[in-house]
Amino acid sequence: DQQVKQNSPSLSVQEGRISILNCDYTNSMFDYFLWYKKYPAEGPTFLISISSIKDKNEDGRFTVFLNKSAKHLSLHIVPSQPGDSAVYFCAAIGNQFYFGTGTSLTVIP
Amino acid sequence: DVKVTQSSRYLVKRTGEKVFLECVQDMDHENMFWYRQDPGLGLRLIYFSYDVKMKEKGDIPEGYSVSREKKERFSLILESASTNQTSMYLCASSFLDRRHYEQYFGPGTRLTVT
Repeated sequence: DQQVKQNSPSLSVQEGRISILNCDYTNSMFDYFLWYKKYPAEGPTFLISISSIKDKNEDGRFTVFLNKSAKHLSLHIVPSQPGDSAVYFCAAIGNQFYFGTGTSLTVIP
Repeated sequence: DVKVTQSSRYLVKRTGEKVFLECVQDMDHENMFWYRQDPGLGLRLIYFSYDVKMKEKGDIPEGYSVSREKKERFSLILESASTNQTSMYLCASSFLDRRHYEQYFGPGTRLTVT
């Protein structure tokens, strides 16, 4: 049973606009969340994380929001750039790592 | 820079063959992981190890085994490869300390079983 879900398999956004990627989880015991970015033929690379004691973490153009009551997190990319085109995975940490199914982001120049 | 290397980028094997996938990390990480990535299923954990000679099953260990004889090296073994094990295999490593829990991934091995 998938404990971390990314319900949008793909997303297209115009360059310069905001990209919002969403992730839902089922286990309220998860205490740390991460986003990874993956280009084709490469391994995922760590992007940004958030502890469950926070509701927002920002790093440059990337912001992660956590809504614990809704068991939902989102990644905002502002402004989106063509180089951001990749597959994005959210992950949650409980007794092990749980990854979502990924969202393929395409930023159109 | 953290470096996680995998022995092969592409591998083609026949059904029934024994397959070894090797992973080496150079950051003295305690944890090492093997995942497979399939379309629509994301990354699924096969096995992980938090210390030499220690291993824990992940979500999909069936048909796989692992070996960790040295801290920097974690091997995934397919005892008798089957076509449903055709996939992208990703190795990762991380510190044990949860304050630095980000995993670092290798480039992946694309395995095709015919």
